[in-house]
Amino acid sequence: QSALTQPASVSGSPGQSITISCTGTTSDVGGYNYVSWYQQHPGKAPKLMIYEVSNRPSGVPDRFSGSKSGNTASLTISGLHTEDEADYYCSSYASSSTLFGGGTKLTVL
Amino acid sequence: EVQLLESGGGLVQPGGSLRLSCAASGFTFKNYAMSWVRQAPGKGLEWVSVISASGGSTYYADSVKGRFTISRDNSKNTLYLQMNSLRAEDTAVYYCAKDPLYSDYVYAFDIWGQGTLVTVSS
Repeated sequence: QSALTQPASVSGSPGQSITISCTGTTSDVGGYNYVSWYQQHPGKAPKLMIYEVSNRPSGVPDRFSGSKSGNTASLTISGLHTEDEADYYCSSYASSSTLFGGGTKLTVL
Repeated sequence: EVQLLESGGGLVQPGGSLRLSCAASGFTFKNYAMSWVRQAPGKGLEWVSVISASGGSTYYADSVKGRFTISRDNSKNTLYLQMNSLRAEDTAVYYCAKDPLYSDYVYAFDIWGQGTLVTVSS
């Protein structure tokens, strides 16, 4: 049960777009459409931003979008806001198990 | 308001036991699979365990298999995590979370509790 691979950090300026990748295998990301993304601010519980690869829960801005190609899923944030600065984690179902990525720290410069 | 409230964390010696509880409100608890996720200090998220809505199916991360037991009482709207043979590496904030749609497994974690800190140390 290896963790999914995410970049440790990404950065962008307000108004720009960024993409965070999440790479797994055919046994997890590539094998199921159960990839989700979470935003976590310091000292807070994670918040669901995307589920089932590309679905946004009610209340999540449409600036957040998700996609998948092969064994790699991606989270794109368009039109960055300063409040988007946080840690982001991907997650995938993996046949009676769940994997998380190591997390990506997004800095909004 | 949909809410999850964990309790039961604290300081425990290596080899000791602890039982966490997660009280649910604001939704029909018996209809959703539930899960535990933990986060060691300064580290990332780690999935711990999941239980189906009926309680009939349970799964565990390899790191806790044989030591932790997940259970639920649908009459009390409460999820539990019994933790035995605790190790220093089990030190973490433990969150309970629910799936937004499914009863058989938590494929995504849409509602999280505030977390409860478990510290394993002598």
